[in-house]
Amino acid sequence: GQQVMQIPQYQHVQEGEDFTTYCNSSTTLSNIQWYKQRPGGHPVFLIQLVKSGEVKKQKRLTFQFGEAKKNSSLHITATQTTDVGTYFCAAGNTPLVFGKGTRLSVIA
Amino acid sequence: NAGVTQTPKFQVLKTGQSMTLQCAQDMNHNSMYWYRQDPGMGLRLIYYSASEGTTDKGEVPNGYNVSRLNKREFSLRLESAAPSQTSVYFCASSETGSHSQPQHFGDGTRLSIL
Repeated sequence: GQQVMQIPQYQHVQEGEDFTTYCNSSTTLSNIQWYKQRPGGHPVFLIQLVKSGEVKKQKRLTFQFGEAKKNSSLHITATQTTDVGTYFCAAGNTPLVFGKGTRLSVIA
Repeated sequence: NAGVTQTPKFQVLKTGQSMTLQCAQDMNHNSMYWYRQDPGMGLRLIYYSASEGTTDKGEVPNGYNVSRLNKREFSLRLESAAPSQTSVYFCASSETGSHSQPQHFGDGTRLSIL
């Protein structure tokens, strides 16, 4: 079945550094969603990308959908301690398939 | 504005005991889901209900049963709990079962089986 691979699994950054997580699929995706889960919390929907090459921004977060619609990335500029958590991509056919997530730690 | 409500929040069971996890949503969503989350494994779908009256198996359905009681409620039952079912369980809902709909998650149930 559909699978989405996320890398890296873990990322430790100093506060103020940038962070990027990648989501890759072997097949063309119709759309991709991104979620954030704070430690001890539940996943919260961030954004959905639908179009080839689409770029969306939410404050310091930039989301991209690849031209071939097989990959996506989430980039955080100048990380803050509030960015700590696990970021998941989700894609595929009905129902959605979630990647294993990238856990971000921010060292103040 | 409750969203998705799960009960209980924590539970400890002994091997072989049975238990039902409850989930209710107040967003008038058609589709509901049960996931388990284990360290390093992400979110794995156990069962889902695309609409009232239907249920389908997900990636890891063995050892579980579900009931879509009505449009609001979707319960998950462990008939004979096993230590391998120790996990955090999340219920989620979406407006429809389409992969283009965002999912809204409950706070989770932390289940330990001894």
